[in-house]
Amino acid sequence: GDSVTQMEGPVTLSEEACLTINCTYTATGYPSLFWYVQYPGEGLQLLLKATKADDKGSNKGFEATYRKETTSFHLEKGSVQVSDSAVYFCALSLPTSGTYKYIFGTGTRLKVLA
Amino acid sequence: NAGVTQTPKFRVLKTGQSMTLLCAQDMNHEYMYWYRQDPGMGLRLIHYSVGEGTTAKGEVPDGYNVSRLKKQNFLLGLESAAPSQTSVYFCASSYPPRAGSTEAFFGQGTRLTVV
Repeated sequence: GDSVTQMEGPVTLSEEACLTINCTYTATGYPSLFWYVQYPGEGLQLLLKATKADDKGSNKGFEATYRKETTSFHLEKGSVQVSDSAVYFCALSLPTSGTYKYIFGTGTRLKVLA
Repeated sequence: NAGVTQTPKFRVLKTGQSMTLLCAQDMNHEYMYWYRQDPGMGLRLIHYSVGEGTTAKGEVPDGYNVSRLKKQNFLLGLESAAPSQTSVYFCASSYPPRAGSTEAFFGQGTRLTVV
């Protein structure tokens, strides 16, 4: 079945370190891919998205490239800040039976230390 | 623009009590969803709706009911709460596939504790 697998956390980094959170997916068809971020006590916010192969989504210094050949959508940032501390969810959407199916990964908690 | 608004934000119930969670969206989205978030399990779909007057079961529908009487509102009901329903509940909404925009927009969540 369709699924999303992302690296387990927590990930602890020092400020200005490089970040990579791995995400791979299994899907029938051609999904759209997303990274959502959840700050403490808040809901999920869309961070970035890519709708087709080789698309690169970017926002707030974060980037992810839709790699169809490796079925991956890894999240990267060159220099993290304390304010980036949050839980990051990789997700896909597929149109199915007249609606969308959204599949979420289990989330990766990032903690950035000053 | 408020987006997706959930009420209440927090609630404590005793086992067997009932309650209704309200979700309201002002983006004219046709699709609405209820998810629950549990540690280590990501988000799991409870019920969803593809339009006013329609509802359908998701991945974990048992113990919940929903209604979509108005396009902008999606209600989640617990008829007889159980401790296993302690969770954080998220409502989301989206456009349909034909609109070309595929992301879901989420509310702030409702933290429910059943004792």
